[in-house]
Amino acid sequence: DAKTTQPNSMESNEEEPVHLPCNHSTISGTDYIHWYRQLPSQGPEYVIHGLTSNVNNRMASLAIAEDRKSSTLILHRATLRDAAVYYCILRVPGNQFYFGTGTSLTVIP
Amino acid sequence: GAVVSQHPSRVICKSGTSVKIECRSLDFQATTMFWYRQFPKKSLMLMATSNEGSKATYEQGVEKDKFLINHASLTLSTLTVTSAHPEDSSFYICSAVKAQGITEAFFGQGTRLTVV
Repeated sequence: DAKTTQPNSMESNEEEPVHLPCNHSTISGTDYIHWYRQLPSQGPEYVIHGLTSNVNNRMASLAIAEDRKSSTLILHRATLRDAAVYYCILRVPGNQFYFGTGTSLTVIP
Repeated sequence: GAVVSQHPSRVICKSGTSVKIECRSLDFQATTMFWYRQFPKKSLMLMATSNEGSKATYEQGVEKDKFLINHASLTLSTLTVTSAHPEDSSFYICSAVKAQGITEAFFGQGTRLTVV
């Protein structure tokens, strides 16, 4: 399984930026880096994905290290609705997504 | 975005009975669907990969006779938990990827199974 390492939990104040780190030192050249988030009792929600270049969308930004061994999900202004478990996942060629432990993000009002 | 729907969202069944969970891709065709289970406060564990028209591929340690998966069409996969036991109680989640191009997976809302 492709492995990722994330901090178990992080806190952020509301309306401040949040940087969620992920290490994936065993990533191969064809593995995409995906981020999903999950609210309690719901299925995961797609956030963003990338291969080599930094990516931006309406939800977040993804900064990928030059050697691709780590990445950072950036939420520009955290809101209470962003409180969730965030999973950093490597998409393997068979399309399988193997989830790690994720980071539980708490947003403080 | 693409929508994946699971049914039912919650089900309670008696020990020894079987229960079927459906996973549908509502607005796209999915040649591949995946089934996960999740215990409270734990991460998602991949159970099997379901390919339309062929047998599912199960992850190591997952009993294929216990968890029957059928992917009869490009928009529907089913997971049947056979002879359910209380330890099968869990949150089951499916996901689907589009047949071509787009690489993200779309997840259903999950099914809470309680075996009594």
